[in-house]
Amino acid sequence: AQSVTQLGSHVSVSEGALVLLRCNYSSSVPPYLFWYVQYPNQGLQLLLKYTSAATLVKGINGFEAEFKKSETSFHLTKPSAHMSDAAEYFCAVSDQGAQKLVFGQGTRLTINP
Amino acid sequence: DGGITQSPKYLFRKEGQNVTLSCEQNLNHDAMYWYRQDPGQGLRLIYYSQIVNDFQKGDIAEGYSVSREKKESFPLTVTSAQKNPTAFYLCASNPRQGGGAQYFGPGTRLTVL
Repeated sequence: AQSVTQLGSHVSVSEGALVLLRCNYSSSVPPYLFWYVQYPNQGLQLLLKYTSAATLVKGINGFEAEFKKSETSFHLTKPSAHMSDAAEYFCAVSDQGAQKLVFGQGTRLTINP
Repeated sequence: DGGITQSPKYLFRKEGQNVTLSCEQNLNHDAMYWYRQDPGQGLRLIYYSQIVNDFQKGDIAEGYSVSREKKESFPLTVTSAQKNPTAFYLCASNPRQGGGAQYFGPGTRLTVL
């Protein structure tokens, strides 16, 4: 069975600092991996996805993530945090070709001025 | 504009009443999903449908029912058998050939009074 672990339910950084949100996955087959962002009382928006092409994936709003098979990780980063990045972030995994996603518990990102 | 719409945004119901949440998409996606979101628990899959007139139970289907009579529509009924229905409900869709990414609607917040 697939699973996702997001390390840290809350992360706080200063405006302009590096953002690092951690995601580790478990999958017995090559995975597809996703990061989503959710603002309060809204749906989830796809930030980026890994589907077995380049291991460094660039997404929207300046975010990127690197797939590391040896570490079973897919951490999300952004070089310089902006106040508008404050939101909840979800990592998700699926089998290649599968129709279901398994989500992590989410990480709430707070940006300090 | 293409997208997923959910209505209403906020819904209140009395205990013992059934209530139906609407989900419509004009993206021509084959697969549709319903999730429940509770604070600190991420997203949990209720039901999903990969094709018209067919659907499967997710991880927490008890107390819920769905139908898929049209490709564009996937309504969710929360029945009186659902013991704790107060939550944020999210609908999503997937084009099946899109590398597994799901696209979400804005959500419906259901409160049982």
